[in-house]
Amino acid sequence: DSGVTQTPKHLITATGQRVTLRCSPRSGDLSVYWYQQSLDQGLQFLIQYYNGEERAKGNILERFSAQQFPDLHSELNLSSLELGDSALYFCASRGYAGGELPGTDTQYFGPGTRLTVL
Amino acid sequence: AQSVTQLGSHVSVSEGALVLLRCNYSSSVPPYLFWYVQYPNQGLQLLLKYTTGATLVKGINGFEAEFKKSETSFHLTKPSAHMSDAAEYFCAVSEWDAGNMLTFGGGTRLMVKP
Repeated sequence: DSGVTQTPKHLITATGQRVTLRCSPRSGDLSVYWYQQSLDQGLQFLIQYYNGEERAKGNILERFSAQQFPDLHSELNLSSLELGDSALYFCASRGYAGGELPGTDTQYFGPGTRLTVL
Repeated sequence: AQSVTQLGSHVSVSEGALVLLRCNYSSSVPPYLFWYVQYPNQGLQLLLKYTTGATLVKGINGFEAEFKKSETSFHLTKPSAHMSDAAEYFCAVSEWDAGNMLTFGGGTRLMVKP
């Protein structure tokens, strides 16, 4: 158990709909990352938040958005869903141990949310 | 941008045999390299990471990897495969100068035959 929780575990919806995926990071972790894992694209970074602020963006579609709340949980919003959005969506939180070099600290992954768009 | 290539999307070994999973990266700056494992229907778990210092890195479950700068490689090995090692393995590089996000290779599915 990584300490990162994601809900729901599975989500089945129809094209054109909107869904929200939720992530709670490990206690004390300020950074949250979202990744998408699909058969076509593999594992891709979507977006990062640090203490409520967006820090970095990857290959995230304009139909997708995210936010991080004051209690540090994060939500990924996917709208106007298409068949190709079906994937496993992972959240990870980063544990910065202080003495480590930036970028060397470990990202801890949640179990993922499997989204199926029909 | 950095990139990671994993040679062989599927690798099959017999139980007790050597496991070798290949990873090559491209980077314009000193890389931080990671190996993650994904068991069926689970998230990713860190096996080991290279940051600085000793180029031979030991991880969990008997795995180790060696950073070879001249070959831009970070191959993962285990002397003797167990059935429980069957999983998907991902090599990743950390983009430390751009938010520390991970760039992953395509993954290698390891199958272990009895």
